[in-house]
Formats: sequence, structure tokens, C-alpha cells
Amino acid sequence: EAGVTQFPSHSVIEKGQTVTLRCDPISGHDNLYWYRRVMGKEIKFLLHFVKESKQDESGMPNNRFLAERTGGTYSTLKVQPAELEDSGVYFCASSLIVHSWNEQFFGPGTRLTVL
Amino acid sequence: AQSVTQLDSQVPVFEEAPVELRCNYSSSVSVYLFWYVQYPNQGLQLLLKYLSGSTLVKGINGFEAEFNKSQTSFHLRKPSVHISDTAEYFCAVLDSSYKLIFGSGTRLLVRP
Repeated sequence: EAGVTQFPSHSVIEKGQTVTLRCDPISGHDNLYWYRRVMGKEIKFLLHFVKESKQDESGMPNNRFLAERTGGTYSTLKVQPAELEDSGVYFCASSLIVHSWNEQFFGPGTRLTVL
Repeated sequence: AQSVTQLDSQVPVFEEAPVELRCNYSSSVSVYLFWYVQYPNQGLQLLLKYLSGSTLVKGINGFEAEFNKSQTSFHLRKPSVHISDTAEYFCAVLDSSYKLIFGSGTRLLVRP
């Protein structure tokens, strides 16, 4: 069974440009999460989809970030326009159901560098 | 709000020595605790979790952790480490809306 995949693995862009990150969850997982780790700090929650609906987007830093999950399969996270402080590693995770005992499976992350 | 503290940013240790990675949490509700590991160029992998029951939790790769409610701790231990255990380790708590709250991570560096 394929795990969570993310594309690209690395992205280097100039300040002011747009970047779109993609996450493909494990097949059949209704729950999809985005997290971010900024330089050496803790990994922080961004948002949670249940199928195509945003269940919780309390961690989204501002309106330059737009997440979508059309059709309830893969998800994209767009940053427009990118700022220097957006640099970091963006992780995606998926889980079958939402419950304390249900594991969130993580992808390898996308390392974003904004110059 | 819940939070997780990992006091040690880096822990160097010699191969075959024991290791303890410390984790403290703050929570006023039922606690669900996790340890994740990130090997170089890989995603986060679940090592072990505490949901309820026995306070000593055994995970993969010989790791174990002990839930201590009075000290609000969930320290990770391994009696004898290998070079291949070199990685970054994250402690996390599941909050009431089922998102993970992470600590800042501890880099374990195992030396020969």
C-alpha cells in the first residue's frame, strides 16, 4: 500500500512568487492534515480536511495560504504571494477516521525556501 | 491550551549506550501522547503511543516510553542504541479537535 506522497520534495522561489504544494493521502483516508515546521521550531498544525470539507483551519497563518481538496482525494496548498517567513517544511498527513487511536500517517514533506 | 516541551534539542550518545529523551506536556483533559521519529529525508513515523491503560508503552525498534501523570511527562527510552537510531524525535499530544501538538524535537546523534 502506497504511503502519503508529497510533491515537490523541494521548492525554491523568490519572494512574491506563487507556489503550490500537493499531497496525495493514503487511498481511502478521509482525513487529511497539513502541518508546517519553520526552521528548527515545532511542527505546527495548519488545517484538517474531512473528505473535501475543511474541518478545522485554525492554524492557517493568513489569507496568503489557500488549501483545497476537490473531490476529497488529493489536496493542494497554495502560497500566494510567498514571503520569507513562509520558508520551512510542509508536512501532509492522513488518517482513516478521526479518533484518538487512529494513527496519522505522514508524508516526507516539502521543503520550501523563499529567497 | 495544550503544549509539549522537549527540553533537549540535541542528545549525543555512544553506540550501545542507553538513552532517554525527555518530554513534558501540559493538558487539563484526557491525554493521548505520541512519539514520532524522522529519519533523514523521510517523513514522520510513529514510534509509539499512549492512549490509556498501562503506563509503560512499548514501540518499534526497541523504544519504550512511560506515562507519568503526576510529573506530566512521557519520556522515551532505549536501553542500547544503534547508529541507525540517529534521527530526530518528536513528542506530541492529541488535542480535543484531533490535531497533533508537537514539541520542538530532539536530535539523537549516535556515535560509534
